[in-house]
Amino acid sequence: GENVEQHPSTLSVQEGDSAVIKCTYSDSASNYFPWYKQELGKRPQLIIDIRSNVGEKKDQRIAVTLNKTAKHFSLHITETQPEDSAVYFCAADYTGGFKTIFGAGTRLFVKA
Amino acid sequence: ETGVTQSPTHLIKTRGQQVTLRCSSQSGHNTVSWYQQALGQGPQFIFQYYREEENGRGNFPPRFSGLQFPNYSSELNVNALELDDSALYLCASSSSGDRNTIYFGEGSWLTVV
Repeated sequence: GENVEQHPSTLSVQEGDSAVIKCTYSDSASNYFPWYKQELGKRPQLIIDIRSNVGEKKDQRIAVTLNKTAKHFSLHITETQPEDSAVYFCAADYTGGFKTIFGAGTRLFVKA
Repeated sequence: ETGVTQSPTHLIKTRGQQVTLRCSSQSGHNTVSWYQQALGQGPQFIFQYYREEENGRGNFPPRFSGLQFPNYSSELNVNALELDDSALYLCASSSSGDRNTIYFGEGSWLTVV
């Protein structure tokens, strides 16, 4: 069935360093790949997304890349700050908005 | 523009009881999806409602049911509660013009004892 795998489960970086989170998806029909940030006790919030007709998208310190052939997509955060500490979820949208499947999450710690 | 709102925010139920959770979609959004998020896990898709009908369902038993009303608000009902139903229940809304992009409410924390 549909599946999104996310790695690593935990990531600890020093303030100012870069962080990379990687995901793979199983359904080649997926065409939309959002990333969500969830702070403790809060709702997941959309931080960036990419559609299958684009290979890369950037928004200030965050960027996402997509390799459709390999069914991989990644989140890159540069110049990390303590406020970037949170759980990040990747997701893949199956059947055109019908069902969004989430990865298990990556807990990012940014050490000051 | 109002965001997605959910109620109640927290509740405690006893095993075997029934619960109803409520969601008001974001202004202009006509599609509502419900997710279950267990502690330490990603959100799991329960079902989606569009035009007052269930539009897709995840791997959840029939005791999870829902409704959507003409104003696009929605309810999630869970019967015969089990301990494993303890989780954060998230409602997300989207528009028919961009059903990919979903916006979450703050969620309802359900504890089953």
